[in-house]
Amino acid sequence: DAGVIQSPRHEVTEMGQEVTLRCKPISGHNSLFWYRQTMMRGLELLIYFNNNVPIDDSGMPEDRFSAKMPNASFSTLKIQPSEPRDSAVYFCASSPPGRNTIYFGEGSWLTVV
Amino acid sequence: AQSVTQPDIHITVSEGASLELRCNYSYGATPYLFWYVQSPGQGLQLLLKYFSGDTLVQGIKGFEAEFKRSQSSFNLRKPSVHWSDAAEYFCAVGAAIGTDKLIFGTGTRLQVFP
Repeated sequence: DAGVIQSPRHEVTEMGQEVTLRCKPISGHNSLFWYRQTMMRGLELLIYFNNNVPIDDSGMPEDRFSAKMPNASFSTLKIQPSEPRDSAVYFCASSPPGRNTIYFGEGSWLTVV
Repeated sequence: AQSVTQPDIHITVSEGASLELRCNYSYGATPYLFWYVQSPGQGLQLLLKYFSGDTLVQGIKGFEAEFKRSQSSFNLRKPSVHWSDAAEYFCAVGAAIGTDKLIFGTGTRLQVFP
């Protein structure tokens, strides 16, 4: 079975540009998570969806960040406008119904210059 | 609030030596506990998990972990480390009943010398 699929794997963009990260969760999973990883802060949960509905977005840094899940097989994380401090690895993860395991994608490595 | 502490930021061991990575959690009820491993440039891979039952759980790659409620610990162990085990290891706790959120520790970087 395919795992969590993220795109792009790597992106370099200029400050002020819009960045869109994409995620396809594992089929049948009903929870989806966006995490950000940096050296300074480690792994931070940005937002968590259950059945396509945002449940907890308390980790979203500020209004420049937004996330959507229009259907069970697709989610986006958008940063507009991007800033150098947004440079990080962004992980998407999904989990099946019930208290089960979270499965991570390979990450999107974002560099904002 | 739930939290996870990994006291060791960096551990170095020789290949073939035994390994124990420490994890302490703070949680009001029976926790759901996890260990993940992250190799450089990769995502996080699940090593093992504890939900209930036997407090010694076996995982992939020869790892095991023991849940000790009295010590609020869930330490990861391996009897003989291989060079390919060099990676970053994260302990995580299930945040609350009714949610799949995980709270992660800050990670322990394992270096293995030949």
